[in-house]
Amino acid sequence: AQSVTQLDSQVPVFEEAPVELRCNYSSSVSVYLFWYVQYPNQGLQLLLKYLSGSTLVKGINGFEAEFNKSQTSFHLRKPSVHISDTAEYFCAVSDQGGAQKLVFGQGTRLTINP
Amino acid sequence: DSGVTQTPKHLITATGQRVTLRCSPRSGDLSVYWYQQSLDQGLQFLIQYYNGEERAKGNILERFSAQQFPDLHSELNLSSLELGDSALYFCASSPEPGTYNEQFFGPGTRLTVL
Repeated sequence: AQSVTQLDSQVPVFEEAPVELRCNYSSSVSVYLFWYVQYPNQGLQLLLKYLSGSTLVKGINGFEAEFNKSQTSFHLRKPSVHISDTAEYFCAVSDQGGAQKLVFGQGTRLTINP
Repeated sequence: DSGVTQTPKHLITATGQRVTLRCSPRSGDLSVYWYQQSLDQGLQFLIQYYNGEERAKGNILERFSAQQFPDLHSELNLSSLELGDSALYFCASSPEPGTYNEQFFGPGTRLTVL
């Protein structure tokens, strides 16, 4: 079984500042890793994914994440945030075979202050 | 717009009642996943169907059931509703299983049980 821990439930930052949202996972099998974003009153949108290969993955809206196998982490970063990045961010894992159901973390609410 | 549609958008009902949530996957997608998002449990996988057959089960209560029809749309039936069933229910779809299947999420159905 897999589990995901998002280390911060809320992260407030100022506009144009850098941000890092932390995610650690636990799994006994190889996994795929994902970050999803949920804007207010909307569904989930995929920001980026790690399947294999380069440990640094780039996603939409200027976000990137780094897979660290030894630390079982997959932290999300953006060098300069905008007001429009205000949303809830979810880290998720799925196993690499079978149903590939997603196991989500509890979410991190990112609030951008002007 | 992910291409996944869910109806209704909002549903308000009373304890003890039964409701049906409907999901239409993206054109060509064979798999449908159901997830529940609640304040106390977070985002949890409920059940997956692939081409009409149940493929994986998660934390789905016995009062809940689902099915996928020949036209690939899916319904989630919730019965004997309790206050704690109030949540946002998401449907996601993905193509035929392969090495990796990205899940595309619908906008969700918000269920309020009074």
